[in-house]
Amino acid sequence: GEDVEQSLFLSVREGDSSVINCTYTDSSSTYLYWYKQEPGAGLQLLTYIFSNMDMKQDQRLTVLLNKKDKHLSLRIADTQTGDSAIYFCAETYAGNTPLVFGKGTRLSVIA
Amino acid sequence: GAVVSQHPSRVICKSGTSVKIECRSLDFQATTMFWYRQFPKKSLMLMATSNEGSKATYEQGVEKDKFLINHASLTLSTLTVTSAHPEDSSFYICSVPKSSYEQYFGPGTRLTVT
Repeated sequence: GEDVEQSLFLSVREGDSSVINCTYTDSSSTYLYWYKQEPGAGLQLLTYIFSNMDMKQDQRLTVLLNKKDKHLSLRIADTQTGDSAIYFCAETYAGNTPLVFGKGTRLSVIA
Repeated sequence: GAVVSQHPSRVICKSGTSVKIECRSLDFQATTMFWYRQFPKKSLMLMATSNEGSKATYEQGVEKDKFLINHASLTLSTLTVTSAHPEDSSFYICSVPKSSYEQYFGPGTRLTVT
């Protein structure tokens, strides 16, 4: 069945880069997403990547996709205290179908 | 700005009462919306798919008579938790596909049943 795995915790110092990793099992995944959730809030779509792409960069965010290994990563450059949140990796095979989420990685940024 | 809204953001109700949660797409129409439930410090669990003009599709283990879904229009879906019990206390979030690859989530509704 479908499964998305993430490490649960990551702690970095302010100004360093953060790398959050995710692995998925469904080879038919076409769209892969990164969402950010702050305490008590909904999910904010950060970025997405199509399965036919290897990399996508958007300001401080870089997404890398290794389709062969089914590995997705999110790099946040110059991490700030405001980046502290839970980051969810998610995948789906079609854009109008429900997403399968990982358990989320809690990023703590130390000033 | 927000593209999906939910109302209410927080609700406290007594055991045995029913609660309605609304999910609205603000600047686009959607024939499909999704309802998720999130337990504390856990991931999101898909509860059901709300379909405009037809019955909702429920995931295995989700009681359709307890969690009533009505896709009233192309911009509104409602989730009604009937005869709520303390174990129904949770964070309920809807998501709405906007395009073939974009899905936006509402801000969530925290339900507390006393």
